Amino acid sequence: KAGVTQTPRYLIKTRGQQVTLSCSPISGHRSVSWYQQTPGQGLQFLFEYFSETQRNKGNFPGRFSGRQFSNSRSEMNVSTLELGDSALYLCASSVRGYGYTFGSGTRLTVV
Amino acid sequence: DAKTTQPPSMDCAEGRAANLPCNHSTISGNEYVYWYRQIHSQGPQYIIHGLKNNETNEMASLIITEDRKSSTLILPHATLRDTAVYYCIVFNDYKLSFGAGTTVTVRA
Repeated sequence: KAGVTQTPRYLIKTRGQQVTLSCSPISGHRSVSWYQQTPGQGLQFLFEYFSETQRNKGNFPGRFSGRQFSNSRSEMNVSTLELGDSALYLCASSVRGYGYTFGSGTRLTVV
Repeated sequence: DAKTTQPPSMDCAEGRAANLPCNHSTISGNEYVYWYRQIHSQGPQYIIHGLKNNETNEMASLIITEDRKSSTLILPHATLRDTAVYYCIVFNDYKLSFGAGTTVTVRA
């Protein structure tokens, strides 16, 4: 059974640009969550989607957005990138919103 | 959100049991306790979760006190590959609120 797949694995962007990260959940999983991990703040919740509906959102500025498609795949977008957005972005999926399985993450570096 | 308190670090001898404590005194009646671990910037790995009763799986055991204000994760026979950061989390509203976790170092 394939795990949670995140693409790309690594990304380098320039300040002011925007970026889109992709997450393919485990087959049959309809809930997808996103987390940001930085050395200073640790793991922080960004948002959670179930059947294309956002059910919860973390305390991040509006530059961070996400969406979920009908096949449960999800994307998150960060606009107007700042140096502080450099982080490991993790996606996790579960069947209904319990017992999440995490992907390996996308390492974003903003220069 | 209910907060959790864990010791920042602990050592364990290989082959011995590792007991990881966690306080969650503000937990609500319907909130689950989850444990995850993370090995060197890989994605966190699910270990176990529980509500009221003690739980056991192939990786670990979870002991939750009767008042639910604290819990202990038990790794029965620690190996070097169990060296990781262990997170005790109160799950609420589809959100895992990670704290700083406990860095567990298993020594040969």
